[in-house]
Amino acid sequence: QQQVKQSPQSLIVQKGGIPIINCAYENTAFDYFPWYQQFPGKGPALLIAIRPDVSEKKEGRFTISFNKSAKQFSLHIMDSQPGDSATYFCAAIPSSGGGADGLTFGKGTHLIIQP
Amino acid sequence: DVKVTQSSRYLVKRTGEKVFLECVQDMDHENMFWYRQDPGLGLRLIYFSYDVKMKEKGDIPEGYSVSREKKERFSLILESASTNQTSMYLCASNRGYSPLHFGNGTRLTVT
Repeated sequence: QQQVKQSPQSLIVQKGGIPIINCAYENTAFDYFPWYQQFPGKGPALLIAIRPDVSEKKEGRFTISFNKSAKQFSLHIMDSQPGDSATYFCAAIPSSGGGADGLTFGKGTHLIIQP
Repeated sequence: DVKVTQSSRYLVKRTGEKVFLECVQDMDHENMFWYRQDPGLGLRLIYFSYDVKMKEKGDIPEGYSVSREKKERFSLILESASTNQTSMYLCASNRGYSPLHFGNGTRLTVT
């Protein structure tokens, strides 16, 4: 059973556009939602994270929107650049559920920003 | 800055060989993890360890084992490699509930 559903699997956006990646979860025990960014040939790295007590978090051009009642969260990239081309993973973890072994990843979105 | 180092970027092994993937972290993290990454399947947890000589099965442990003799080193072992174990393998570490720090991966091909 897939606990975190991520869409789309791939996405192509023109430079300056706003790619949006969506994730949905079922487990109401999840209370920390990180996003990881992975460039080719590299391991994933933490990009931004949110807890459900806020509906939005911004870090530079990256914004997470969180809808607790719908159990959905999404990543928006403002003024996207070719350098943002990467694979993005959403994830969820219950803070009371032990260490990062409780971390559940979405299946990833391969994003391409065209010049 | 945390560094997680995986000893090999690329490995090519034959079916039936015993394969060792090595991972070392330099930040005294107690938790270490092995994931495999496959297109369309995302990141799947194979094994993890909370302390030296401790290991726990993840979601897909079949065909794998691990060893953690020292805090900084976590090894993934394929006792008898099979073609369905061709994949990208990622090691990660963290402390407590802090974000995972990943290595750059080992791309293993089993022929």
